[in-house]
Amino acid sequence: ELKVEQNPLFLSMQEGKNYTIYCNYSTTSDRLYWYRQDPGKSLESLFVLLSNGAVKQEGRLMASLDTKARLSTLHITAAVHDLSATYFCAVDAGNMLTFGGGTRLMVKP
Amino acid sequence: SAVISQKPSRDICQRGTSLTIQCQVDSQVTMMFWYRQQPGQSLTLIATANQGSEATYESGFVIDKFPISRPNLTFSTLTVSNMSPEDSSIYLCSGLTGGEYGYTFGSGTRLTVV
Repeated sequence: ELKVEQNPLFLSMQEGKNYTIYCNYSTTSDRLYWYRQDPGKSLESLFVLLSNGAVKQEGRLMASLDTKARLSTLHITAAVHDLSATYFCAVDAGNMLTFGGGTRLMVKP
Repeated sequence: SAVISQKPSRDICQRGTSLTIQCQVDSQVTMMFWYRQQPGQSLTLIATANQGSEATYESGFVIDKFPISRPNLTFSTLTVSNMSPEDSSIYLCSGLTGGEYGYTFGSGTRLTVV
């Protein structure tokens, strides 16, 4: 059974600071997704990582995938309040997503 | 990528009743899924909706409680039957479009059972 562990589960950070969210998974997969969820809303796709060593960046967010280590990271650079949300990683194991527990990010002025 | 319209967006229901949630995709998707997200929790897969045949349910979910239909490649429904307060959650549908877009999610249905 595929297990996806995300940490931290909660992150409170100051504006302007950098931080990394980690996503570990238990079985081989070449596809990993990062989503953002605002309170009461659905999931917004942030990144699709399709191969080992993939790195994608959008604004202050950068995601990477190491399939050998079964690890993905979501790095936040110079956080701003608008990034406050819950972030989920999800691993694709044969056309089915398994989600991590989510990281609730709160960025304080 | 595909766009999924999901309705209703929210509902408050009496215990013992049933609610049907609909998802319409604007293009064909290879697979459709239904998830439950309990308050403050992550997403849990309920089932994979199969076109023209019975859905494939995950452990802990049964057809009598969560009947699912998928009559064609762009439409699916999930019914939450004989509801209890423990069914209060957000329910989301998802479609797999493949390639770089991967999975698209509907806007979600926030269900409160009283």
